[in-house]
Amino acid sequence: QKEVEQDPGPLSVPEGAIVSLNCTYSNSAFQYFMWYRQYSRKGPELLMYTYSSGNKEDGRFTAQVDKSSKYISLFIRDSQPSDSATYLCAMSERQAGTALIFGKGTTLSVSS
Amino acid sequence: ETGVTQTPRHLVMGMTNKKSLKCEQHLGHNAMYWYKQSAKKPLELMFVYNFKEQTENNSVPSRFSPECPNSSHLFLHLHTLQPEDSALYLCASSQDLRGETQYFGPGTRLLVL
Repeated sequence: QKEVEQDPGPLSVPEGAIVSLNCTYSNSAFQYFMWYRQYSRKGPELLMYTYSSGNKEDGRFTAQVDKSSKYISLFIRDSQPSDSATYLCAMSERQAGTALIFGKGTTLSVSS
Repeated sequence: ETGVTQTPRHLVMGMTNKKSLKCEQHLGHNAMYWYKQSAKKPLELMFVYNFKEQTENNSVPSRFSPECPNSSHLFLHLHTLQPEDSALYLCASSQDLRGETQYFGPGTRLLVL
């Protein structure tokens, strides 16, 4: 079983939709959870960072971590065409600066 | 230039060539990373440097040789690569190894013929 599983999509939604992106993992020692957004021909940029379980909200984005189920989610409300990108989940046992394990990424397309 | 820059952006090389990828960060960070991103695969961490010292080498073949002359610059020297090494090579930096944010460069798209 891979350490981090992420549905690659592609996921296509209309503008204004609520988007749910998910990752599951097998290593119960993971404590740090991140979501990165990667536009075409660009490097990944950090969107959300969460330590341990719980929710974190930033504008239209909400990150959710359920350690008991080994499941993390990123919700995007009122999705915009500018949200079209690949979303990568990442997680780590120790400080976030080292040994991040990434999912394969989910490609999202938001149509206007 | 701001953030993390990488050159060249695209590189085509034969299996017998020697080339180098360059990364420069303008953020005053102390930790730098090389990642490999292949199609339909997760990002793979290759090397980590902290204050110019290599702290991680994730079983990377010796045909990839990193160099970190100072905290702002990171190189990846390539020689006798294989076609399966074709990928996007990403450089990243963070304040230090406890930093929660890694800033990525745009990557070098490498094609090995």
